[in-house]
Amino acid sequence: DQQVKQNSPSLSVQEGRISILNCDYTNSMFDYFLWYKKYPAEGPTFLISISSIKDKNEDGRFTVFLNKSAKHLSLHIVPSQPGDSAVYFCAASPLQGAQKLVFGQGTRLTINP
Amino acid sequence: KAGVTQTPRYLIKTRGQQVTLSCSPISGHRSVSWYQQTPGQGLQFLFEYFSETQRNKGNFPGRFSGRQFSNSRSEMNVSTLELGDSALYLCASSPEGRGIDTQYFGPGTRLTVL
Repeated sequence: DQQVKQNSPSLSVQEGRISILNCDYTNSMFDYFLWYKKYPAEGPTFLISISSIKDKNEDGRFTVFLNKSAKHLSLHIVPSQPGDSAVYFCAASPLQGAQKLVFGQGTRLTINP
Repeated sequence: KAGVTQTPRYLIKTRGQQVTLSCSPISGHRSVSWYQQTPGQGLQFLFEYFSETQRNKGNFPGRFSGRQFSNSRSEMNVSTLELGDSALYLCASSPEGRGIDTQYFGPGTRLTVL
């Protein structure tokens, strides 16, 4: 049972345009969400997070939106840069068990020059 | 500040053997979590240790075990290895492992079981 789903295995975006990565979850106990970025042969790197009391969190070029009623979150990257090419994972947890992250399958983002 | 380190980076074992992986968290971090990443299942939580005690556990068989030392370093052990245990094993550390503490990942140990 996949509690966190990233339905797009891959996404290709032109440099300078907006990249939108999507994530859906099924467990209503989740109230803390994170996005990680992973390069080959490296561990995931934390990007941005959001708690369920917010619907938006912004950090530079990265913005995460949370729609609790739809159990959906998205990561927007504007403008997209070649260095953003990586695999992006969304993760979720209840605050009580925040270290027990449940990850999506990942979306491979490719930024084309 | 040094990041999370994991040793060894690569390991090849045969079925039936056992293996021990090591993780050194970021200095000052007391919570260490372990994850398994496979192409089919993605990243899955194994267990979390805090103050030398297992605090959270995922849905893995008892062949997977771990421990944490007083300096917060952690080891993970897999006994009676199976082909399906081939994966990237990632360790993550966080300060207290509470609330919205961010987990910082190491580079992982790539285990291949032949």
